[in-house]
Amino acid sequence: SQTIHQWPATLVQPVGSPLSLECTVEGTSNPNLYWYRQAAGRGLQLLFYSVGIGQISSEVPQNLSASRPQDRQFILSSKKLLLSDSGFYLCAWRAPNRGRFGRAFFGQGTRLTVV
Amino acid sequence: DAKTTQPNSMESNEEEPVHLPCNHSTISGTDYIHWYRQLPSQGPEYVIHGLTSNVNNRMASLAIAEDRKSSTLILHRATLRDAAVYYCILRFTYYGQNFVFGPGTRLSVLP
Repeated sequence: SQTIHQWPATLVQPVGSPLSLECTVEGTSNPNLYWYRQAAGRGLQLLFYSVGIGQISSEVPQNLSASRPQDRQFILSSKKLLLSDSGFYLCAWRAPNRGRFGRAFFGQGTRLTVV
Repeated sequence: DAKTTQPNSMESNEEEPVHLPCNHSTISGTDYIHWYRQLPSQGPEYVIHGLTSNVNNRMASLAIAEDRKSSTLILHRATLRDAAVYYCILRFTYYGQNFVFGPGTRLSVLP
Protein backbone atom coordinates (compact mmCIF):
# COMPACT_ATOMS: atom_id res chain seq x y z
CA SER A 1 0.00 0.00 0.00
CA GLN A 2 1.02 3.57 -0.50
CA THR A 3 2.18 5.78 2.35
CA ILE A 4 3.38 9.32 2.67
CA HIS A 5 5.87 10.51 5.25
CA GLN A 6 6.39 14.11 6.19
CA TRP A 7 8.78 15.45 8.82
CA PRO A 8 9.33 17.03 11.19
CA ALA A 9 5.89 17.28 12.77
CA THR A 10 6.66 20.57 14.49
CA LEU A 11 9.43 23.09 14.02
CA VAL A 12 10.33 26.37 15.67
CA GLN A 13 12.85 28.43 13.75
CA PRO A 14 14.22 31.97 14.20
CA VAL A 15 13.70 34.63 11.57
CA GLY A 16 16.44 34.52 8.97
CA SER A 17 17.28 30.85 9.49
CA PRO A 18 17.11 28.27 6.69
CA LEU A 19 14.35 25.71 6.29
CA SER A 20 14.20 22.20 4.89
CA LEU A 21 11.04 20.10 5.04
CA GLU A 22 11.05 16.66 3.52
CA CYS A 23 8.27 14.51 2.12
CA THR A 24 8.61 10.98 0.80
CA VAL A 25 6.08 8.65 -0.75
CA GLU A 26 6.24 4.85 -0.74
CA GLY A 27 4.43 2.28 -2.79
CA THR A 28 3.87 4.23 -5.98
CA SER A 29 5.87 5.46 -8.94
CA ASN A 30 6.00 8.84 -10.61
CA PRO A 31 3.45 10.46 -8.32
CA ASN A 32 2.29 14.03 -8.70
CA LEU A 33 3.56 15.82 -5.59
CA TYR A 34 2.26 18.96 -3.92
CA TRP A 35 3.23 21.36 -1.15
CA TYR A 36 0.41 23.33 0.47
CA ARG A 37 0.44 25.88 3.27
CA GLN A 38 -2.39 26.52 5.67
CA ALA A 39 -2.46 29.67 7.76
CA ALA A 40 -4.30 29.47 11.07
CA GLY A 41 -8.05 29.12 10.51
CA ARG A 42 -7.78 29.34 6.75
CA GLY A 43 -7.87 27.10 3.72
CA LEU A 44 -4.99 25.46 1.90
CA GLN A 45 -2.86 27.46 -0.49
CA LEU A 46 -0.93 25.61 -3.16
CA LEU A 47 2.78 26.48 -3.06
CA PHE A 48 4.43 24.05 -5.46
CA TYR A 49 3.61 20.97 -7.45
CA SER A 50 5.68 18.51 -9.42
CA VAL A 51 4.85 15.96 -12.07
CA GLY A 52 8.32 14.46 -12.28
CA ILE A 53 11.95 14.57 -11.13
CA GLY A 54 13.32 18.07 -11.45
CA GLN A 55 9.98 19.47 -12.64
CA ILE A 56 8.65 22.10 -10.26
CA SER A 57 5.78 24.53 -10.80
CA SER A 58 5.43 27.45 -8.43
CA GLU A 59 2.01 28.93 -7.77
CA VAL A 60 2.80 31.68 -5.29
CA PRO A 61 5.87 33.98 -5.48
CA GLN A 62 7.67 33.95 -2.14
CA ASN A 63 10.98 33.17 -0.51
CA LEU A 64 10.34 29.43 -0.56
CA SER A 65 11.59 26.92 -3.10
CA ALA A 66 10.97 23.26 -3.80
CA SER A 67 13.02 20.46 -5.26
CA ARG A 68 12.40 16.91 -6.35
CA PRO A 69 15.76 15.15 -6.39
CA GLN A 70 14.22 11.68 -6.55
CA ASP A 71 10.98 10.28 -7.91
CA ARG A 72 9.29 9.99 -4.53
CA GLN A 73 11.02 12.76 -2.61
CA PHE A 74 9.81 16.35 -2.42
CA ILE A 75 11.65 19.01 -0.43
CA LEU A 76 10.50 22.47 0.61
CA SER A 77 13.27 24.94 1.42
CA SER A 78 14.01 28.49 2.34
CA LYS A 79 17.31 30.31 2.67
CA LYS A 80 15.97 32.88 5.14
CA LEU A 81 12.67 32.45 6.94
CA LEU A 82 10.25 35.33 7.49
CA LEU A 83 7.67 35.64 10.26
CA SER A 84 4.99 35.32 7.58
CA ASP A 85 6.26 31.84 6.72
CA SER A 86 4.69 30.45 9.88
CA GLY A 87 1.92 27.98 9.16
CA PHE A 88 0.93 24.38 8.69
CA TYR A 89 2.73 22.83 5.72
CA LEU A 90 1.21 19.84 4.01
CA CYS A 91 2.65 17.51 1.41
CA ALA A 92 0.34 15.49 -0.80
CA TRP A 93 0.56 13.04 -3.68
CA ARG A 94 -1.73 11.90 -6.44
CA ALA A 95 -1.33 9.05 -8.87
CA PRO A 96 -0.10 10.15 -12.29
CA ASN A 97 -2.34 10.19 -15.33
CA ARG A 98 -5.53 10.19 -13.28
CA GLY A 99 -6.55 13.58 -14.56
CA ARG A 100 -9.09 15.52 -12.58
CA PHE A 101 -10.61 12.58 -10.74
CA GLY A 102 -7.57 11.18 -8.94
CA ARG A 103 -7.78 11.44 -5.19
CA ALA A 104 -5.05 13.11 -3.15
CA PHE A 105 -3.29 11.64 -0.14
CA PHE A 106 -1.94 14.05 2.44
CA GLY A 107 0.85 13.79 4.95
CA GLN A 108 0.33 14.64 8.58
CA GLY A 109 1.80 18.09 8.13
CA THR A 110 4.55 20.19 9.68
CA ARG A 111 3.60 23.03 11.96
CA LEU A 112 6.23 25.72 11.48
CA THR A 113 6.54 28.64 13.85
CA VAL A 114 8.98 31.36 12.93
CA VAL A 115 10.02 33.45 15.93
CA ASP B 1 -12.46 30.18 -12.29
CA ALA B 2 -13.30 26.90 -10.61
CA LYS B 3 -14.12 28.20 -7.15
CA THR B 4 -16.49 26.75 -4.61
CA THR B 5 -18.47 28.37 -1.81
CA GLN B 6 -19.55 26.67 1.38
CA PRO B 7 -21.13 27.81 4.65
CA ASN B 8 -18.53 28.64 7.27
CA SER B 9 -19.98 26.37 9.91
CA MET B 10 -22.76 23.91 10.63
CA GLU B 11 -23.98 22.01 13.65
CA SER B 12 -25.52 18.61 13.91
CA ASN B 13 -26.71 16.32 16.65
CA GLU B 14 -25.07 12.96 17.02
CA GLU B 15 -26.67 10.13 15.03
CA GLU B 16 -28.66 12.54 12.87
CA PRO B 17 -28.06 13.05 9.14
CA VAL B 18 -26.00 16.02 8.00
CA HIS B 19 -26.25 17.76 4.64
CA LEU B 20 -23.24 19.89 3.76
CA PRO B 21 -23.86 22.12 0.73
CA CYS B 22 -21.39 23.40 -1.83
CA ASN B 23 -21.95 25.84 -4.69
CA HIS B 24 -19.76 25.68 -7.77
CA SER B 25 -21.62 27.71 -10.36
CA THR B 26 -18.57 28.08 -12.66
CA ILE B 27 -17.79 24.37 -12.82
CA SER B 28 -16.58 23.16 -16.20
CA GLY B 29 -17.80 20.04 -17.92
CA THR B 30 -14.69 18.05 -17.03
CA ASP B 31 -14.35 19.10 -13.38
CA TYR B 32 -14.92 16.43 -10.80
CA ILE B 33 -16.38 17.41 -7.44
CA HIS B 34 -14.15 16.30 -4.59
CA TRP B 35 -14.82 16.33 -0.86
CA TYR B 36 -12.14 16.12 1.78
CA ARG B 37 -12.24 16.58 5.51
CA GLN B 38 -9.61 17.74 7.95
CA LEU B 39 -9.46 16.79 11.60
CA PRO B 40 -7.60 19.14 13.95
CA SER B 41 -3.82 19.19 13.40
CA GLN B 42 -4.01 16.58 10.63
CA GLY B 43 -3.80 16.60 6.87
CA PRO B 44 -7.03 16.44 4.87
CA GLU B 45 -8.43 13.02 4.07
CA TYR B 46 -10.47 11.97 1.08
CA VAL B 47 -14.20 11.53 1.58
CA ILE B 48 -15.81 11.12 -1.83
CA HIS B 49 -15.83 12.44 -5.37
CA GLY B 50 -18.15 12.43 -8.36
CA LEU B 51 -18.77 13.87 -11.81
CA THR B 52 -22.48 13.79 -12.63
CA SER B 53 -24.21 10.93 -10.89
CA ASN B 54 -24.81 10.61 -7.17
CA VAL B 55 -22.16 8.57 -5.42
CA ASN B 56 -22.13 6.46 -2.27
CA ASN B 57 -19.31 4.99 -0.25
CA ARG B 58 -18.81 3.77 3.28
CA MET B 59 -18.14 7.28 4.58
CA ALA B 60 -20.79 9.38 2.88
CA SER B 61 -23.02 10.07 -0.09
CA LEU B 62 -22.60 12.80 -2.68
CA ALA B 63 -25.67 14.29 -4.31
CA ILE B 64 -24.92 16.33 -7.43
CA ALA B 65 -27.44 18.75 -8.88
CA GLU B 66 -28.59 18.09 -12.40
CA ASP B 67 -26.93 21.29 -13.67
CA ARG B 68 -23.82 20.45 -11.61
CA LYS B 69 -23.71 23.93 -10.14
CA SER B 70 -24.10 22.62 -6.62
CA SER B 71 -23.60 19.45 -4.64
CA THR B 72 -24.33 18.13 -1.17
CA LEU B 73 -22.27 15.86 0.99
CA ILE B 74 -24.49 13.67 3.11
CA LEU B 75 -23.36 12.02 6.31
CA HIS B 76 -26.14 9.60 7.11
CA ARG B 77 -25.54 9.38 10.85
CA ALA B 78 -23.15 11.92 12.29
CA THR B 79 -20.80 10.76 15.00
CA LEU B 80 -18.51 12.79 17.23
CA ARG B 81 -15.61 11.62 15.08
CA ASP B 82 -17.17 13.38 12.09
CA ALA B 83 -16.48 16.78 13.64
CA ALA B 84 -14.03 18.33 11.18
CA VAL B 85 -13.63 20.96 8.48
CA TYR B 86 -15.15 19.72 5.23
CA TYR B 87 -13.78 20.99 1.93
CA CYS B 88 -15.46 20.90 -1.44
CA ILE B 89 -12.97 21.41 -4.29
CA LEU B 90 -12.88 21.04 -8.05
CA ARG B 91 -9.15 20.97 -8.77
CA PHE B 92 -5.84 20.47 -6.96
CA THR B 93 -3.87 23.13 -8.80
CA TYR B 94 -4.65 26.65 -9.90
CA TYR B 95 -2.64 29.19 -11.76
CA GLY B 96 -2.30 32.31 -9.71
CA GLN B 97 -2.64 32.98 -6.02
CA ASN B 98 -5.96 31.30 -5.40
CA PHE B 99 -6.55 29.02 -2.54
CA VAL B 100 -7.07 25.50 -3.77
CA PHE B 101 -8.97 24.51 -0.66
CA GLY B 102 -11.20 27.32 0.56
CA PRO B 103 -12.08 27.80 4.24
CA GLY B 104 -14.51 24.87 4.08
CA THR B 105 -17.36 24.15 6.48
CA ARG B 106 -16.54 23.52 10.11
CA LEU B 107 -18.95 20.80 11.28
CA SER B 108 -19.67 20.53 14.97
CA VAL B 109 -21.41 17.41 16.22
CA LEU B 110 -23.27 17.72 19.48
CA PRO B 111 -23.68 14.68 21.75
